[in-house]
Amino acid sequence: EAGVTQSPTHLIKTRGQQATLRCSPISGHTSVYWYQQALGLGLQFLLWYDEGEERNRGNFPPRFSGRQFPNYSSELNVNALELEDSALYLCASSETGTSGARNTQYFGPGTRLTVL
Amino acid sequence: DAKTTQPTSMDCAEGRAANLPCNHSTISGNEYVYWYRQIHSQGPQYIIHGLKNNETNEMASLIITEDRKSSTLILPHATLRDTAVYYCIVTSRGSQGNLIFGKGTKLSVKP
Repeated sequence: EAGVTQSPTHLIKTRGQQATLRCSPISGHTSVYWYQQALGLGLQFLLWYDEGEERNRGNFPPRFSGRQFPNYSSELNVNALELEDSALYLCASSETGTSGARNTQYFGPGTRLTVL
Repeated sequence: DAKTTQPTSMDCAEGRAANLPCNHSTISGNEYVYWYRQIHSQGPQYIIHGLKNNETNEMASLIITEDRKSSTLILPHATLRDTAVYYCIVTSRGSQGNLIFGKGTKLSVKP
């Protein structure tokens, strides 16, 4: 069974540009989560999508946004890039985001975003 | 979600058992204990989780104390490839989606 996939692996942008990161969840999973891991820092929760809806977002500015498509894949968009947005962006998926025994999150390999 | 406390780093000899402790003294009745690990610059890997009972899978064993205020992750025969940062996370099933990652324990397995 294929795991969570993310693309691209690496992305280089300049300050002020927009970045789009993509995530495909494990087959059968409806929830997708985005996390940011800046160099030397811990993982910070960004966004949670479930059944096409944004369910929760972390303490990030509105220029971080995303969406979830009908096939449950997801995009993370970062507008007006700043140098401090350079980080590893991780996507995770789970069978469901609601209470129950099936919301263990499984992570993808990440997209390394570098802002110059 | 309850806060967790883990040692900053630990060493383990290759082939020996690695026992990683986690304190979660404020855990509530509906909160699970999850363990993930992250090998340098890779995505976190799910290891195991439990609620009250001890759990075992092909990767590790999870021992939860009877009062649920602490737990230990056991890697029975550590290899060099187990060198990673190990995160203990407490979360309720009905939480708002996000896992709260602390700083974790840096486990170094040495030959």
